[in-house]
Amino acid sequence: SQQGEEDPQALSIQEGENATMNCSYKTSINNLQWYRQNSGRGLVHLILIRSNEREKHSGRLRVTLDTSKKSSSLLITASRAADTASYFCATIKKSSGDKLTFGTGTRLAVRP
Amino acid sequence: GAVVSQHPSRVICKSGTSVKIECRSLDFQATTMFWYRQFPKQSLMLMATSNEGSKATYEQGVEKDKFLINHASLTLSTLTVTSAHPEDSSFYICSASNQGGWGDEQYFGPGTRLTVT
Repeated sequence: SQQGEEDPQALSIQEGENATMNCSYKTSINNLQWYRQNSGRGLVHLILIRSNEREKHSGRLRVTLDTSKKSSSLLITASRAADTASYFCATIKKSSGDKLTFGTGTRLAVRP
Repeated sequence: GAVVSQHPSRVICKSGTSVKIECRSLDFQATTMFWYRQFPKQSLMLMATSNEGSKATYEQGVEKDKFLINHASLTLSTLTVTSAHPEDSSFYICSASNQGGWGDEQYFGPGTRLTVT
C-alpha cells in the first residue's frame, strides 16, 4: 500500500486531556500535513511541516517530524469535545509534485 | 482563506445513469485540482489529478472512461461518474491547489455523497 499508517486507529479521551496521534510513512517527502475531518464532511487543513523542520506549533496543536524514522506525531493539548473528529496525516513525495498520500486516519472521541 | 465548493452535496441516482459533480474554487485560480474518493471509515484515495486545459492523470486502477474529469477553467473541474453502479457509492472530495511546485497547501471541498440504488 502507498498509504501511511496511523496509530492508534481510534482514541477516546476525556475533555481536558491531551491526545497524541502518530503517523508513519514510507518514502522521502517534501512535507507532511495534518488534516481534520468531521463525520461526513470535507477536510480542514491543520498544519504543514516541511522535511527540514522538526517541530511546529499552532495554537493547541504540536506536530513533530522525524525524517530518519519516517514518522510524525500530532499532539492536541487540553482537548475539547469539539475536537472529536478523524485526523489524517498526508505526505507529498519528492517525486510526486503536489499529490497527497493520506494515512489511514485516527478517529478521536473526546468525552465531555 | 481559500474556499472550494462542491455541488451537489448529496446525490442519489439509479444504477446505469450518469452523475456529474462540480468542484469550484471560489476566490482563487486553481491550476490543479484533485479528485478523491472515500469509503466509510476509510482514508482518502486519490483518483486523478486535473490540470486546467489538459487531460487528467488517473491513478492506477481508476477507470478513466468511467470517471470522466474535465477541468475547463481555472475555477471549475467536473467529475462525471458514468453508468453508475452501487459499488460506486462513495464520498467524493475534490481539492484545489493554486500554487505550483512542491508541497503547497491544497484546499478541500466539503465533499459529495453519491448513493447509487
